[in-house]
Amino acid sequence: EVQLVESGGVVVQPGGSLRLSCAASGFTFDDFSMHWVRQAPGKGLEWVSLITWDGGSTSYADSVKGRFTISRDNSKNSLYLQMNGLKTDDTALYYCAKEGPNSGFYYDYWGQGTLVTVSS
Amino acid sequence: DIQMTQSPSSLSASVGDRVTITCRASQSISSYLNWYQQKPGKAPRLLIYAASGLQSGVPSRFSGSESGTDFTLTIRSLQPEDFATYYCQQTYSTLTWTFGQGTKVEIK
Repeated sequence: EVQLVESGGVVVQPGGSLRLSCAASGFTFDDFSMHWVRQAPGKGLEWVSLITWDGGSTSYADSVKGRFTISRDNSKNSLYLQMNGLKTDDTALYYCAKEGPNSGFYYDYWGQGTLVTVSS
Repeated sequence: DIQMTQSPSSLSASVGDRVTITCRASQSISSYLNWYQQKPGKAPRLLIYAASGLQSGVPSRFSGSESGTDFTLTIRSLQPEDFATYYCQQTYSTLTWTFGQGTKVEIK
């Protein structure tokens, strides 16, 4: 059974830093690109970042570019999101999501999310 | 960047109704369009991939279609468990995926 379990969400002050983790199981982690998607309270889904299977390519939404860094450790089946220079607008539930098989350009599995609150 | 305009933002419907939700891309995205369903407090669930592919386990009353840069999600006969928010997503832009704003389907 595929499982994605996010952790690391807390309350942090504006300007602070945080690292989110996503522990993956039930599939061959290093076969798939992985993404972070966030959802502000009561709002829609916003794509945040992606990393290819080997970490060779990464991409970011303009709203987080230069502040967030995505990474992965395939030996630990884990995905990370380092978040620096946090703003109140970064308050959201952060999901990790797995791309579909056979270069499927969709998410076939999501975690349950970890809540990041940026507030003074 | 590719923009996705989803409409309507909300709708009210009755059980048994046929419901259609539309997503328009700001440029050609081929068939790189997915639909997700999200219920309160839950992660999104994939319904349709590549514009018209039905994800395994999804009821056949859900279908997707495309016409140029316009994409449609149709629910043939709305069921009580279908009341949720629906999002489209383009994945044509390989390194920047974007979602539509969402459509909340409520009980009339």
